[in-house]
Amino acid sequence: DQQVKQNSPSLSVQEGRISILNCDYTNSMFDYFLWYKKYPAEGPTFLISISSIKDKNEDGRFTVFLNKSAKHLSLHIVPSQPGDSAVYFCAVRDSGGYQKVTFGIGTKLQVIP
Amino acid sequence: KAGVTQTPRYLIKTRGQQVTLSCSPISGHRSVSWYQQTPGQGLQFLFEYFSETQRNKGNFPGRFSGRQFSNSRSEMNVSTLELGDSALYLCASSSSFGATYGYTFGSGTRLTVV
Repeated sequence: DQQVKQNSPSLSVQEGRISILNCDYTNSMFDYFLWYKKYPAEGPTFLISISSIKDKNEDGRFTVFLNKSAKHLSLHIVPSQPGDSAVYFCAVRDSGGYQKVTFGIGTKLQVIP
Repeated sequence: KAGVTQTPRYLIKTRGQQVTLSCSPISGHRSVSWYQQTPGQGLQFLFEYFSETQRNKGNFPGRFSGRQFSNSRSEMNVSTLELGDSALYLCASSSSFGATYGYTFGSGTRLTVV
């Protein structure tokens, strides 16, 4: 039962263009949404997050959009740089209980110079 | 400020053996979560500990267990290893459960079962 789906296993983008990574979730009780970036042989690093009361959060080149009605989350990277090449995981937090955090399976982004 | 430390970095074990992995969280962090990463499965949640108590648990068999000590350090144990347990095991710490400001992950322990 996948509560978080990242349907694109990989994405290739030209340097300077926009990268759009998508994530769908199934549970409307999630209250917090996060994106992590992972390079090979390293642990994931926190990138950006958004609360369910917002629909957009921006941090430099990274913007996360939340569409609650569609249960859809996206990460925009503008402009894309070769150093952005990594695996991107979206994660959701349950609003109830002990606020369990569930990750998607990841999307591998390649930014081509 | 030291990050999350996982030991060992690499481990090779034989089927049927058991293994213990260690995680030292960032100083002051009381929550430690464990994840298994395999190709095609992403980050699968194992369990989360907060103040020595297991707060959340994923859908893994009972062969996977963990504990947290009073200094917040955590250990994960896998008994009767199977080939399918080969994976990168990641530990993440946070000041509280729920990770509002995100987890901080360690570099992981790469377990290979032969």
